[in-house]
Order: sequence, then C-alpha cells, then structure tokens
Amino acid sequence: AQKVTQAQTEISVVEKEDVTLDCVYETRDTTYYLFWYKQPPSGELVFLIRRNSFDEQNEISGRYSWNFQKSTSSFNFTITASQVVDSAVYFCALSELYLQGAQKLVFGQGTRLTINP
Amino acid sequence: EAEVAQSPRYKITEKSQAVAFWCDPISGHATLYWYRQILGQGPELLVQFQDESVVDDSQLPKDRFSAERLKGVDSTLKIQPAELGDSAMYLCASSLALAGGLNEQFFGPGTRLTVL
Repeated sequence: AQKVTQAQTEISVVEKEDVTLDCVYETRDTTYYLFWYKQPPSGELVFLIRRNSFDEQNEISGRYSWNFQKSTSSFNFTITASQVVDSAVYFCALSELYLQGAQKLVFGQGTRLTINP
Repeated sequence: EAEVAQSPRYKITEKSQAVAFWCDPISGHATLYWYRQILGQGPELLVQFQDESVVDDSQLPKDRFSAERLKGVDSTLKIQPAELGDSAMYLCASSLALAGGLNEQFFGPGTRLTVL
C-alpha cells in the first residue's frame, strides 16, 4: 500500500532562514504523482505543486523549490529566505490510482512550520 | 476565482445527535471527495463521487455515516449518531474528472466538528 512519511512533526526557524521539509514515499506503482499542499490556520488546503513519476527535474517557483529523487523515494520542499507568512502546516501527498483510474490522495502526517520574526 | 464552498464552517454537537455538512464544488467539476482530518494528522479519504455515483466509499463508516450527491452537483455528508471520536475537520474537494492523478484537487475551507 502507498505510504507517505513526513518525519519532521514541527520545525521552527527565524525569518529569512532557509528551511527544508522532508517527504519520503512508498509505492509499488510505476506511474504516480506527488503533491505538496499548504494548510494555513484557516484550514483550507492550498495546492503548491504536482510532480509525476517520470519527471525528476527539480522545480523552482519564487522562494519555493522542490527536489524529487526516485532513487531515494523522496520529494523534499525547500523554502528560501523564509517569511512569517510561510507559517503553516505542509502536507506531502501521493496519488494512488485505483478503481477504473480513480485517484486517491494519500497524505503524510504533515509538518508544522513556524517562522519567527 | 472559483472555489469549493462548505457549510457550516464550525459545528458543535453533543454525542448521539445528528449532524450534516454541505459542499458545493467548483462548477463543472465532476469528481467530488470528502476527507476527514483528525487533529495532527493528514486528511483521509472517506468517499469519492463521479457525478452522482459513488466511486469509493470503502473508508466510510456506513453504520453512522452517509453521503449523497443526488444531482451530481452539491453533496451532503451526514453523521448519525455522532460519537466523540468523530471530532475532526471534514474537508470537501473537487476535480475536473476521474483522470487518475492528472487533475488537481481543489479543497474547500472545511467544517470543523466538535462532539461533546
């Protein structure tokens, strides 16, 4: 069965520091998708990125970057020059395909990130 | 910008009572999902609809939970009777189609349920 592990339960850094959130996944599928979501205190899950299993290129979007390594089954997320507004719970998720192509997201436990001024 | 709507945002109830949550997906999104998120954990899928049909409800505790999407648009999730362990955030999400991993799921703000 698919599984996503976010070993860091909580991280606290000072503003402007760089921070990396780890994500390790398990799957038997050769085709799969990985996601990162942000959950601010309001509760809504905000989509950050989607990556398919055939695309190992790293991606950068502003201060955010993602490192996907199939060899280690990891999909880590780095925030450069962190800001207080980055404080939230971040979830890594794996898309599981089943039942006639239906999709189910399997989430990790989340990492609570606190950026202190 | 189109959003997934959910109501109520907060619900406090006593155990043994019935509760219902409502979700209105983004217009045109055929697939609708209900997730439950217990405090400190990631969301877990309860039920998935494609239009008005249930695709997967294997994780839905059917002795007390029910879900419907009668006209293939908005959806209602009901708990009767509520138990203390049902206290959680209930998240609704929608996506364009049942295309297996290609479509982003858009989440609503959730309903935070507290059972006393």
